[in-house]
Amino acid sequence: DIVMTQSPDSLSVSLGERATINCQSSESIFYSSNNKNYLAWYQQKPGQPPKLLISWASTREFGVPDRFSGSVSGPDFTLTISSLQPEDVALYYCQQYFLSPPTFGGGTKVEIK
Amino acid sequence: QVQLQESGPGLVKPSETLSLTCTVSGGSISSHYWSWIRQTPGKGLEWIGYMFYNGRDRERVNYNPSLKSRVAISADTSKNQFSLKLSSVTAADTAVYYCARQAAGDYDYFQHWGQGTLVTVSS
Repeated sequence: DIVMTQSPDSLSVSLGERATINCQSSESIFYSSNNKNYLAWYQQKPGQPPKLLISWASTREFGVPDRFSGSVSGPDFTLTISSLQPEDVALYYCQQYFLSPPTFGGGTKVEIK
Repeated sequence: QVQLQESGPGLVKPSETLSLTCTVSGGSISSHYWSWIRQTPGKGLEWIGYMFYNGRDRERVNYNPSLKSRVAISADTSKNQFSLKLSSVTAADTAVYYCARQAAGDYDYFQHWGQGTLVTVSS
């Protein structure tokens, strides 16, 4: 199975500041034929299911605020919240869907400092 | 807007079979790939498997190899539902179980999720 490693496990960020979450895959999840990285990001609030934020590493889902962005640098994937809002307090997960079984990272907890 | 709702017993005895149903509204299960995913504090999010049925003659399932020997996912198109059966359960199967719809294909992200249902395995 492809192992997805997220860091940090948790982070505290002041309101209005930037939050950065990293995710690394144990093997490539890039398909050269379509030039896509098979990576998604989810947000999960207490008592709720995960909510899809970003697919294909950087494509925001409809209705997701533009303060959320996804990027790729080599084997590393990043979810950035450009200006943290109170409603962004949550767990965030990455997921690869390049190979079966699809696998998730361990999650990163984002809190307000 | 598609909506999914899990239902089933919240308590299952060890060695018995866990059975859950996902009722889909706002869309037909005779399209898309439909998955079961579970979440535990220890192992996090774990994909269990998916089913696909085109409403005519093509049905396909794919299971996580770690659970394959104990899992069965099937569809009831007359009720627009799909179900999960997990046999020979142990305490390690205690989790919140989600049903979800994949975006388009078999290798895909999960675009729509049910609210989840907690299943506890205990005697």
